[in-house]
Amino acid sequence: DQQVKQNSPSLSVQEGRISILNCDYTNSMFDYFLWYKKYPAEGPTFLISISSIKDKNEDGRFTVFLNKSAKHLSLHIVPSQPGDSAVYFCAASFYGGSQGNLIFGKGTKLSVKP
Amino acid sequence: KAGVTQTPRYLIKTRGQQVTLSCSPISGHRSVSWYQQTPGQGLQFLFEYFSETQRNKGNFPGRFSGRQFSNSRSEMNVSTLELGDSALYLCASSLRHSLGIREEETQYFGPGTRLLVL
Repeated sequence: DQQVKQNSPSLSVQEGRISILNCDYTNSMFDYFLWYKKYPAEGPTFLISISSIKDKNEDGRFTVFLNKSAKHLSLHIVPSQPGDSAVYFCAASFYGGSQGNLIFGKGTKLSVKP
Repeated sequence: KAGVTQTPRYLIKTRGQQVTLSCSPISGHRSVSWYQQTPGQGLQFLFEYFSETQRNKGNFPGRFSGRQFSNSRSEMNVSTLELGDSALYLCASSLRHSLGIREEETQYFGPGTRLLVL
């Protein structure tokens, strides 16, 4: 049973517009969430994280929103740039838990068109 | 500082063979985790090592094993390869065994080893 779901395998957005990537989770005990970005032929790189004591975290053009009651988080990229084209993975875990407790979604491929 | 390195980058094996993949973590990192990435399953956790001890293991058969050396370098081994083992194998290193809120307490991934089993 998949505990972290990214239901959109792909997303296409025009440069300058907002990209919204969604992620749902089933385990209400998760209290720490991360987003990773992956380019082809490279490993995933950490993008932004949020703990369950917050409902929003911003870092430049990237904002993650957490809705605990809906067990849903989303990553907003504003404005989107062609260099943002990559696969985005959502991950969930327990704050202070083992690195190995990180549960990843299957990823969403974002294409930002010039 | 240098990132996580994995060798080899590409590998072709046949069914029944065994394979060893290597991972060198970022200097100072003591935790090394391994993941299998396939198109259908995404990233699935294999195991995590910290200070030469396996701390966590994912839901994979015993054909998958690993170890960590005193310099934190890690190897994973897959014996009796099956077609379904074809995947990208990713190694990630981190400073600590436990997840933290700061970026430096998260995992840093290597580029992966692409394994094709024929």
